[in-house]
Amino acid sequence: SQKIEQNSEALNIQEGKTATLTCNYTNYSPAYLQWYRQDPGRGPVFLLLIRENEKEKRKERLKVTFDTTLKQSLFHITASQPADSATYLCALRTGDDKIIFGKGTRLHILP
Amino acid sequence: GAVVSQHPSRVICKSGTSVKIECRSLDFQATTMFWYRQFPKQSLMLMATSNEGSKATYEQGVEKDKFLINHASLTLSTLTVTSAHPEDSSFYICSARDAGRYTEAFFGQGTRLTVV
Repeated sequence: SQKIEQNSEALNIQEGKTATLTCNYTNYSPAYLQWYRQDPGRGPVFLLLIRENEKEKRKERLKVTFDTTLKQSLFHITASQPADSATYLCALRTGDDKIIFGKGTRLHILP
Repeated sequence: GAVVSQHPSRVICKSGTSVKIECRSLDFQATTMFWYRQFPKQSLMLMATSNEGSKATYEQGVEKDKFLINHASLTLSTLTVTSAHPEDSSFYICSARDAGRYTEAFFGQGTRLTVV
């Protein structure tokens, strides 16, 4: 079955450092992969999308990479701030047009 | 980005009663809406996909008679939890896809349902 795994359930990073989150998937060849942010008690908010023919995508302090050989995406937040503390979810669109999510990584930026 | 409004944000109901949750796309037409359920510290679990004007498609293990989904217009989908039980207590989230922006989905704020 198709699986999405986000390796770290929780991650603590010192303010100002770069946070790197990992997403791996199996049994699937997605055309693109997405990253969302979710705050407690709220719905997810879309951050970035990267297509299979793109190696890297940037948006302000965010950077996403996509390695279709390794079946892996990395999500980086540079110059991290306490306001970046949240759960980050990676998501794939399946062949039957659904969006499925990993469990998420709870990121804590320590002041 | 596009806005999806979900209502109510919190609801407490008694066992055996039914609860309706609304999901509206405010500034775009949503040909497809998705309903998810999320338990604490768990991922979003897709419950069903609804397309405007047709019956919803439910994921395996989701009881369609218990979770009634209606997508009567391009801007409104509803989820009704019928004969609610305490184990139905969860965080329910809808998302909508803009027909003109097909790749990402936009999410509502979520509804925290507590069945007592």
